[in-house]
Amino acid sequence: DAGVTQSPTHLIKTRGQQVTLRCSPKSGHDTVSWYQQALGQGPQFIFQYYEEEERQRGNFPDRFSGHQFPNYSSELNVNALLLGDSALYLCASSSLDSGNTIYFGEGSWLTVV
Amino acid sequence: DAKTTQPTSMDCAEGRAANLPCNHSTISGNEYVYWYRQIHSQGPQYIIHGLKNNETNEMASLIITEDRKSSTLILPHATLRDTAVYYCIVSNAGGTSYGKLTFGQGTILTVHP
Repeated sequence: DAGVTQSPTHLIKTRGQQVTLRCSPKSGHDTVSWYQQALGQGPQFIFQYYEEEERQRGNFPDRFSGHQFPNYSSELNVNALLLGDSALYLCASSSLDSGNTIYFGEGSWLTVV
Repeated sequence: DAKTTQPTSMDCAEGRAANLPCNHSTISGNEYVYWYRQIHSQGPQYIIHGLKNNETNEMASLIITEDRKSSTLILPHATLRDTAVYYCIVSNAGGTSYGKLTFGQGTILTVHP
């Protein structure tokens, strides 16, 4: 049973560009959340998708957007990249039907230069 | 979500039990206590969670005080691979904040030979 998988693992982008990160949730999970973790900090909640809709959102600007597909996989898009967007982006999946446990992927390291 | 307080760092000898404390004095009746750990450059790993009763799994034990204002994560026989940042989180699993975890700074546990 594959856990939460994310791609790509590492990428480098230039300031002003756009990036798309992808996530496949753990089998049986229908809810996907995204987190940003800056170096030396704990993960910060960006937003959550359930039934292809954004259900909750943290304190992040509209440059951060997402999407969830019918197969529950998800994308995180960040537009107009800033140097401060350099971070580890984590995807987490869960399902109320599968208990209250939230599982994380290994993350995508984004470096903005 | 209720806020948690953890020591910044702790040390433990290999083979001994590691006891990691967490204070959550403002926890609500429907909030669970979750423990995750994060080894450098990896995604957070779920350890255990509980509501009011003590819990044990193959990784650890969770002891929650009767008033639920504090808890202790116990790693019974710490190994060098248990060196990580340990996060104690309280969350309204299944409620309006379902799937949203608020991470603090965590406790850096160092297991030494």
